[in-house]
Amino acid sequence: GESVGLHLPTLSVQEGDNSIINCAYSNSASDYFIWYKQESGKGPQFIIDIRSNMDKRQGQRVTVLLNKTVKHLSLQIAATQPGDSAVYFCAETNGQNFVFGPGTRLSVLP
Amino acid sequence: DAGVTQSPTHLIKTRGQHVTLRCSPISGHKSVSWYQQVLGQGPQFIFQYYEKEERGRGNFPDRFSARQFPNYSSELNVNALLLGDSALYLCASSLYYRRYTEAFFGQGTRLTVV
Repeated sequence: GESVGLHLPTLSVQEGDNSIINCAYSNSASDYFIWYKQESGKGPQFIIDIRSNMDKRQGQRVTVLLNKTVKHLSLQIAATQPGDSAVYFCAETNGQNFVFGPGTRLSVLP
Repeated sequence: DAGVTQSPTHLIKTRGQHVTLRCSPISGHKSVSWYQQVLGQGPQFIFQYYEKEERGRGNFPDRFSARQFPNYSSELNVNALLLGDSALYLCASSLYYRRYTEAFFGQGTRLTVV
């Protein structure tokens, strides 16, 4: 289940496997979403975005799925690599500022 | 091309002091936003500026203020520091202030209040 503070939800995957990170967003009026990757000691790094008029968008090794009916966003990472280890945040906006989810820590096992 | 640059990278201040954090956006970007990230949580919106005008403000006390300069760089000021202000302060740069505009973050300023 979801935790707060220092106890981020953690997903552990074997190197080479696919990863799926989920996010429940809060505002049904949000129409633009971004996934960010944050490594220790660094700022969030843009991964991929999607508008609400789409339900799927693909990038290099990453796919974002949007289900507006249940306000759910997911990030799929293909062939997960050690360099993918980080905290992943989804962010939503309805044209104002971005609102970030609590984050998920992805740990890639050798 | 330089990304978003923030200074300083680390800062230690005493309760009650004042702090100024600085941000230079990506060249050509006209919008700057500030976020506070407490350890273990997602960033929280503080301010957004576009063309030197405040365009949005989050739920933060009046001790927090900011401004944007003609060259689009920005400063975040925090007065009367509290222990709870200890956090990573992030600056995000966007090309415009409009929908569907990507925001790119700097590496942040780690503020510790003792």
